[in-house]
Amino acid sequence: DAGVTQSPTHLIKTRGQQVTLRCSPKSGHDTVSWYQQALGQGPQFIFQYYEEEERQRGNFPDRFSGHQFPNYSSELNVNALLLGDSALYLCASSSFTYEQYFGPGTRLTVT
Amino acid sequence: AQRVTQPEKLLSVFKGAPVELKCNYSYSGSPELFWYVQYSRQRLQLLLRHISRESIKGFTADLNKGETSFHLKKPFAQEEDSAMYYCALSGLAEGGGADGLTFGKGTHLIIQP
Repeated sequence: DAGVTQSPTHLIKTRGQQVTLRCSPKSGHDTVSWYQQALGQGPQFIFQYYEEEERQRGNFPDRFSGHQFPNYSSELNVNALLLGDSALYLCASSSFTYEQYFGPGTRLTVT
Repeated sequence: AQRVTQPEKLLSVFKGAPVELKCNYSYSGSPELFWYVQYSRQRLQLLLRHISRESIKGFTADLNKGETSFHLKKPFAQEEDSAMYYCALSGLAEGGGADGLTFGKGTHLIIQP
């Protein structure tokens, strides 16, 4: 089991563009959470998906949206990119427990 | 609102010395508390959680509900303990399962030889 995988590893976008990040959960996990980690900060919770629905959302604007597929993989979409969206985006998966397993992250740079 | 505070951005100790990384939280209810660690060039990984009461790599953490603290301790630091340490909490989501994690800003622990 490769654990949680994320793609792409790095991404450079221009202000105003849209981006899609992808995550495959650890085998046996059905819940996916997304986090944004700005430089020098701890990860901040964006939202969580379970049974293909957004179950919980952090304090992020509607420009941030997501999707979960029947195979439990997930996408994070960000519209109308701002310079402040530059960050490491982490995906974490879990089953019906509190323990979350993290992926390596996608580094997004907005210029 | 739930919050996790790690007052030390950087902590430097000598090898063999005791280590204590501080974590305080605010949460209305009974949260789950965790310590996550990120070694250089590696992904974030769970070090320990309060409910398991385990000692992992010599680290322990006791939940003090009165002081709303969950400090991480190790009696004798080793060079391989150098890493970023994050304290985090989670509540119980509606319908069961865990809420998203709320993290502190992290403490960079440096163990000097």
